[in-house]
Amino acid sequence: NAGVMQNPRHLVRRRGQEARLRCSPVKGHSHVYWYRQLPEEGLKFMVYLQKENIIDESGMPKERFSAEFPKEGPSILRIQQVVRGDSAAYFCASSRDRALEAFFGQGTRLTVV
Amino acid sequence: DAKTTQPTSMDCAEGRAANLPCNHSTISGNEYVYWYRQIHSQGPQYIIHGLKNNETNEMASLIITEDRKSSTLILPHATLRDTAVYYCIVRVDGNNRLAFGKGNQVVVIP
Repeated sequence: NAGVMQNPRHLVRRRGQEARLRCSPVKGHSHVYWYRQLPEEGLKFMVYLQKENIIDESGMPKERFSAEFPKEGPSILRIQQVVRGDSAAYFCASSRDRALEAFFGQGTRLTVV
Repeated sequence: DAKTTQPTSMDCAEGRAANLPCNHSTISGNEYVYWYRQIHSQGPQYIIHGLKNNETNEMASLIITEDRKSSTLILPHATLRDTAVYYCIVRVDGNNRLAFGKGNQVVVIP
């Protein structure tokens, strides 16, 4: 999974602040996926994006969460007005084609205090 | 929801082959079997995938039964660094929305 870069690796936010998580996919990959892993739970799909388009956001919470993957630059997962329940590890994955295997980054661990 | 069933945990002896089973009795014709693993606190790592035929790469071998209702991931020579949660995932072709399930906590014992 070398190549998918996520930053920051650790992020601490106070309740009510905004969290911005960045993901740079493997060079040449135009498909990006975000997953969330709550403490002691499995990974859950959140959203799938392909350059400038949201393809599948069926796993995204209805409020406060948004994602983008602009033509230039990394994909961003944005969480507004964070609450303690948002504390989790957020993983980004990328693939060259939607039919090919996805490779994951090392994740961003968000802690809301 | 995950369409696979795996043991919750298992131990393997260092240096021996580790055979990780997975049941996917409701698998459809266009669904692939994918294996990922997650070493503690790291991102999931792709291992291998297959449709019908057995597959082998530098990490592991995947044996799929003829009826495709189960498969086995084989780590040929387990090392301590192979200790991880292993996920067997059924994936529809062209869809990278992966349902990870709870996985199999594999511990390699010296």
